[in-house]
Amino acid sequence: QSALTQPASVSGSPGQSITISCTGTSSDVGGYNYVSWYQQHPGKAPKLMIYEVSKRPSGVPDRFSGSKSGNTASLTISGLQAEDEADYHCSSYTSSNTWVFGGGTKLTVL
Amino acid sequence: QLQLQESGPGLVKPSETLSLTCSVSGGSISSSSHYWGWIRQPPGKGLEWIGSVYYSGSTYYNPSLKSRVTISVDTSKNQISLKLNSVTAADTAVYYCARETAGSAAGDYWGQGTLVTVSS
Repeated sequence: QSALTQPASVSGSPGQSITISCTGTSSDVGGYNYVSWYQQHPGKAPKLMIYEVSKRPSGVPDRFSGSKSGNTASLTISGLQAEDEADYHCSSYTSSNTWVFGGGTKLTVL
Repeated sequence: QLQLQESGPGLVKPSETLSLTCSVSGGSISSSSHYWGWIRQPPGKGLEWIGSVYYSGSTYYNPSLKSRVTISVDTSKNQISLKLNSVTAADTAVYYCARETAGSAAGDYWGQGTLVTVSS
């Protein structure tokens, strides 16, 4: 299984909105509504931010939203805040009953 | 509050077997609603799913690691374990255990991670 494709980096100013893409295939992202997004600050464990494409776990601000179109999923963060600066990883269930992750995207808040 | 804690040697020699344990507290590993998995992250790189186990012992592995990996569950100790044999420097990574709610394919609780270095 090949890793999902994410941009290496994105940036935005406080208050702005940014979108991170996650591209896979019909055997993973496109075939199932089981895309998740994780936030990871340096030296910390990943934190689940979005699951099943667009659902937010309890406690995650509604500034974070997820969507999917075809083989590409997206994470949008609106009203960017300094504490949003982190690495973001997407993952998807696959047709082989496994998970696959993206390479991760570094978000810089300018 | 559910907590997961990884433990094991921080240094493993090439060609040997990496062995880690994940201890779960604040909840039962025998829950029919959850899977328990291992994910790793080489220094400066992205996450890689290693595999998952159900309390019944059913396992699912990353095809690229399947020939070298064994994940097992010990319900009496509320623990899962990871064994990765024939390790090389490419297996140097932070290893995380995580809980997955069945049917979500998402890790909702993670351990803090443990760095394992493969070096002679």
